[in-house]
Amino acid sequence: AQSVTQLDSQVPVFEEAPVELRCNYSSSVSVYLFWYVQYPNQGLQLLLKYLSGSTLVKGINGFEAEFNKSQTSFHLRKPSVHISDTAEYFCAVSFSASKIIFGSGTRLSIRP
Amino acid sequence: AAGVIQSPRHLIKEKRETATLKCYPIPRHDTVYWYQQGPGQDPQFLISFYEKMQSDKGSIPDRFSAQQFSDYHSELNMSSLELGDSALYFCASSPPGLAMNEQFFGPGTRLTVL
Repeated sequence: AQSVTQLDSQVPVFEEAPVELRCNYSSSVSVYLFWYVQYPNQGLQLLLKYLSGSTLVKGINGFEAEFNKSQTSFHLRKPSVHISDTAEYFCAVSFSASKIIFGSGTRLSIRP
Repeated sequence: AAGVIQSPRHLIKEKRETATLKCYPIPRHDTVYWYQQGPGQDPQFLISFYEKMQSDKGSIPDRFSAQQFSDYHSELNMSSLELGDSALYFCASSPPGLAMNEQFFGPGTRLTVL
């Protein structure tokens, strides 16, 4: 069975500071990995995805994530955050054309 | 670019009433997924359809049913509504091909049961 663990439920950071949101997954088969962002009272927007190939994946809004198979991790990073990055971030996993399993989410709050 | 359309965007119902949520996938997408996101929760998979046939089933209550029509739009029917059904319901669609699974999410329908 597949599962996703987001280690931090909340991450407060100061504006222009770097941030890392942690995600670990569990699966007995090869998976596809995603990060979604949900702004307050809005839907889910895909930030980036790992399907295959290069383990460093670049997404929108300056975010990037690195797939680490040995550590079964897919941490999300941004070198300098902005107030507008305040949102809920979901790590997710799926395989083939199957349902997406979401982590419990990390609330990123940016302090000026 | 065209996106997934969901209607209505907001819906208020009384307990024990019924509700129908509609989802219009991106053109040429043949797979539709439904997710439920309760307050402060992560989205939970309900059910999916591929080429008008149910392809997978998650934690969907027996009071709920869904189908995909010939034009690929999908409807989620919810009966005997309970307070706990209040949630944001997302529909997602994905294009043909089993090699990858990128799902494109709609804006969601916010259902409030009073």
